Amino acid sequence: GQQLNQSPQSMFIQEGEDVSMNCTSSSIFNTWLWYKQDPGEGPVLLIALYKAGELTSNGRLTAQFGITRKDSFLNISASIPSDVGIYFCAGNQAGTALIFGKGTTLSVSS
Amino acid sequence: DAGVTQSPTHLIKTRGQHVTLRCSPISGHKSVSWYQQVLGQGPQFIFQYYEKEERGRGNFPDRFSARQFPNYSSELNVNALLLGDSALYLCASSLSRAIIDTQYFGPGTRLTVL
Repeated sequence: GQQLNQSPQSMFIQEGEDVSMNCTSSSIFNTWLWYKQDPGEGPVLLIALYKAGELTSNGRLTAQFGITRKDSFLNISASIPSDVGIYFCAGNQAGTALIFGKGTTLSVSS
Repeated sequence: DAGVTQSPTHLIKTRGQHVTLRCSPISGHKSVSWYQQVLGQGPQFIFQYYEKEERGRGNFPDRFSARQFPNYSSELNVNALLLGDSALYLCASSLSRAIIDTQYFGPGTRLTVL
């Protein structure tokens, strides 16, 4: 099935560092969502974006809906050990189901 | 309040068998969606049910079917299991049928097909 291009595939960072990941599509999307999945759990919604250019924060997390509507990025500032997990972007076109990226695995060393 | 619950947690089947997975949505949520998550991939949409009717279907064969009950709980059925059906099956519930409505995921059922 169709999937979004999410990068990087994995990241290994030190506690306190900032993190940036992005997601791109060949098609225009109406909605961009960012989820986090911990081992043995389902994805949890972090941030939802509904308009091109929208910039939204949730604590140390900031995400933006790209102007072209074909991309989105997620930044995490001052990472902490509990940020470890797999981050997924997801989006949808008009009237279609959510499409997920393959995920970015984040490892944080203290 | 309880979140989305799924049962069983883990399941082992052999090729050719069938399986039934169950999901109970958050109280008050009328929409249930099913996703398949293969190891190393993101979730892939299988079905959405709202008010007991199928409202969306992903690119999955007819071996996959689902239904939603009057209490909004749902079952996913997979017949003639293949090795490639091994995956984490996630259920998500939301208040309405709108795709942009926030979906809350359950912990999933880990299906292994031998």
